[in-house]
Amino acid sequence: EAGVTQFPSHSVIEKGQTVTLRCDPISGHDNLYWYRRVMGKEIKFLLHFVKESKQDESGMPNNRFLAERTGGTYSTLKVQPAELEDSGVYFCASSQVTGYPGEQYFGPGTRLTVT
Amino acid sequence: SQQGEEDPQALSIQEGENATMNCSYKTSINNLQWYRQNSGRGLVHLILIRSNEREKHSGRLRVTLDTSKKSSSLLITASRAADTASYFCATDFTGGGNKLTFGTGTQLKVEL
Repeated sequence: EAGVTQFPSHSVIEKGQTVTLRCDPISGHDNLYWYRRVMGKEIKFLLHFVKESKQDESGMPNNRFLAERTGGTYSTLKVQPAELEDSGVYFCASSQVTGYPGEQYFGPGTRLTVT
Repeated sequence: SQQGEEDPQALSIQEGENATMNCSYKTSINNLQWYRQNSGRGLVHLILIRSNEREKHSGRLRVTLDTSKKSSSLLITASRAADTASYFCATDFTGGGNKLTFGTGTQLKVEL
């Protein structure tokens, strides 16, 4: 069974440009999460989808970030326009159990560098 | 904040020795999970311990949870060079809706 995959693995863009990150969760996992780690700080939660619905987006830093999960399968996270402080590693995770705590399985992350 | 803290921040040991990492958190939790991150790679799930459990084992890993002290420890026995990585605890706090709050991490280096 394939794990969580993310694309691209690394993206380098200039300030003001747009970047779209993609996450494919483990097949059959209804829950999908986005996290990020910026500049050596803690890994922080961004948002949580249950199928195609946003369950919790309390961690989204501002309206330059837009996440979608069309059809409840893969998800995209768009940053527009990107700022220098957006640089970091963006992780996606998925889990199978809704409403009961379960293991979250993480993808390899996308390293975003904004110059 | 429900942010967890881990200590030590860095740990260097010889192969074959045991490594112990500690994690503290601030609020009531549903479960606590430990993850490993090898340099430049993703997070690998190691073990989950629920709030009503006190100890759990998986291979060379032993995790304890003390909810009265809001702390957990991860013990890696008979360490190997391949165990060199960063280790993070993550809590799923009560009422938090399944989102994980990560600790600051412990960088473990196992030398030959």
